[in-house]
Amino acid sequence: AQKITQTQPGMFVQEKEAVTLDCTYDTSDQSYGLFWYKQPSSGEMIFLIYQGSYDEQNATEGRYSLNFQKARKSANLVISASQLGDSAMYFCATLTNRDDKIIFGKGTRLHILP
Amino acid sequence: DTGVSQDPRHKITKRGQNVTFRCDPISEHNRLYWYRQTLGQGPEFLTYFQNEAQLEKSRLLSDRFSAERPKGSFSTLEIQRTEQGDSAMYLCASSEESGTNTGELFFGEGSRLTVL
Repeated sequence: AQKITQTQPGMFVQEKEAVTLDCTYDTSDQSYGLFWYKQPSSGEMIFLIYQGSYDEQNATEGRYSLNFQKARKSANLVISASQLGDSAMYFCATLTNRDDKIIFGKGTRLHILP
Repeated sequence: DTGVSQDPRHKITKRGQNVTFRCDPISEHNRLYWYRQTLGQGPEFLTYFQNEAQLEKSRLLSDRFSAERPKGSFSTLEIQRTEQGDSAMYLCASSEESGTNTGELFFGEGSRLTVL
């Protein structure tokens, strides 16, 4: 079964600094996907970025990039030039081709300080 | 289409009562998921549908929980004989079948249940 571990319950970062949110995963499948979602205080879940296990390059979407290290089974999210609006919960998640449900980690609460 | 909608947004009920939540997915999405989220935790998978077929149900779901998607469009999640431990946010999400592999689930705003 897949498992996601996010070891940082909370982080405080100064505005405009880059931030890395950690995520490690555990799966025995060869084909899988890794994702990050953002959940602001309003409660909605917002899809940020996706990385396939066979993708050779790290995924990027605007200020978001995913630092994918397959051998270490890590999929850290990097947010460049953080903004106050980045304050939210961030969830790492995974899905395998064998199993169509997305499994989420417990999340990291990010606070951006002015 | 304005996205995934859930109703009601908030429900307060007494222990032992039945509650039902409704989810209207994005119209062209054939996959629909239910998740439960408690405070400070990530969403936990409950069940999902492809069209009207319920393809998987989590072991977290006791017999008091039932979900339907009768015409492959909207879905309902019913909880019978509610318990205080059922208090949570119930999230619905939808996706195109191919969208599942890119992780692009579109979530509703959730239905918050409080059981007194």
